[in-house]
Amino acid sequence: EAGVAQSPRYKIIEKRQSVAFWCNPISGHATLYWYQQILGQGPKLLIQFQNNGVVDDSQLPKDRFSAERLKGVDSTLKIQPAKLEDSAVYLCASSLVWRGREYNEQFFGPGTRLTVL
Amino acid sequence: QKEVEQDPGPLSVPEGAIVSLNCTYSNSAFQYFMWYRQYSRKGPELLMYTYSSGNKEDGRFTAQVDKSSKYISLFIRDSQPSDSATYLCAMSATAGGYQKVTFGTGTKLQVIP
Repeated sequence: EAGVAQSPRYKIIEKRQSVAFWCNPISGHATLYWYQQILGQGPKLLIQFQNNGVVDDSQLPKDRFSAERLKGVDSTLKIQPAKLEDSAVYLCASSLVWRGREYNEQFFGPGTRLTVL
Repeated sequence: QKEVEQDPGPLSVPEGAIVSLNCTYSNSAFQYFMWYRQYSRKGPELLMYTYSSGNKEDGRFTAQVDKSSKYISLFIRDSQPSDSATYLCAMSATAGGYQKVTFGTGTKLQVIP
């Protein structure tokens, strides 16, 4: 079974530039997550989709970050314009739809390491 | 106060030692308690999870949850160099019919051969 795919793996940009990340979840996983992991910290949820609808974007800085999941499969996360503090690893994860019984395991991709100069 | 607190370490132990990793939390609504392992330049992977209070064992790994103290632990027996990684505790609560997961900062573990 193929895992969560992300691209690019690394990106270096200057502040005020824009950048986009792509994620393809595990086939059949309706729920998709984008996390930001700053060096030395745990992943922080930016946005959660179920199919192509947003269920939680409370921690997404909406003045500069946007995300979409057209057709309920792959997703893109965009930052425009980037700031120095956006330097982090951006992780995508996917899971099956939660049925309210057991913990729904999230499967993570390898992440995109963003450096903003 | 953060919802989930975890000592970032680093923690360095000799091969074969017993390792104890811990987290505390403040949100009483957390129901599931997870431990993820993250190798350098990789995404986190789930080690094990428990529901509510109690113990769970899986090979060399044991997870403990004490909801009365809001304290969770992961024990690694007979630690191996391959266990060297960052260990993230995570906890989930339901919100609007969905699971919302909150991660700790992670503890970096190094097992010395």
